[in-house]
Amino acid sequence: QKEVEQNSGPLSVPEGAIASLNCTYSDRGSQSFFWYRQYSGKSPELIMSIYSNGDKEDGRFTAQLNKASQYVSLLIRDSQPSDSATYLCAVNIGDNTDKLIFGTGTRLQVFP
Amino acid sequence: GAGVSQSPSNKVTEKGKDVELRCDPISGHTALYWYRQRLGQGLEFLIYFQGNSAPDKSGLPSDRFSAERTGESVSTLTIQRTQQEDSAVYLCASSKHRGLTDTQYFGPGTRLTVL
Repeated sequence: QKEVEQNSGPLSVPEGAIASLNCTYSDRGSQSFFWYRQYSGKSPELIMSIYSNGDKEDGRFTAQLNKASQYVSLLIRDSQPSDSATYLCAVNIGDNTDKLIFGTGTRLQVFP
Repeated sequence: GAGVSQSPSNKVTEKGKDVELRCDPISGHTALYWYRQRLGQGLEFLIYFQGNSAPDKSGLPSDRFSAERTGESVSTLTIQRTQQEDSAVYLCASSKHRGLTDTQYFGPGTRLTVL
């Protein structure tokens, strides 16, 4: 059973639209949640981190966390073709709070 | 400051040979992680270091894989008797250890090809 699940996509949105990426996780004790962006052939880079229920905004990006429902989402407003990448959700799992489990990622395609 | 560095960037080896992959974390980062990413796949956790000790080795695929860290700095991942299924990008990440899980910063990876 996967511990962090994401829809693999691709999710296709037109330029200027809102892209909504979702992630569910299995460990109710998880406290730390991250969204990473990975361009093809490159390493993951951090987009957002979130630790508390609710929304966290940073520029065009908003992370949303709902611990009761065990999901975390990432909204990208005014999507640009340069946002086309794979977005990885990562959640800390278990008693060892430094261990992250990554989802398999959602591929986002923003078309002009 | 400098980011996480890894070497070599690419490694081509023959089946059955041993390989060593190196990771230099960001200075001052006490936590260090190794992941494997096969083509088109997600990140697979291999091992995690806190300082020089490895509290979690649960992701190592077999006893052919081992890792060590010295001086709370550089880490090496060794794969013995490589197999074709070991072909992947091996990513290293480091983070500060501040209680709640902190941001992991990734290196550029080592692309391993086993012929």
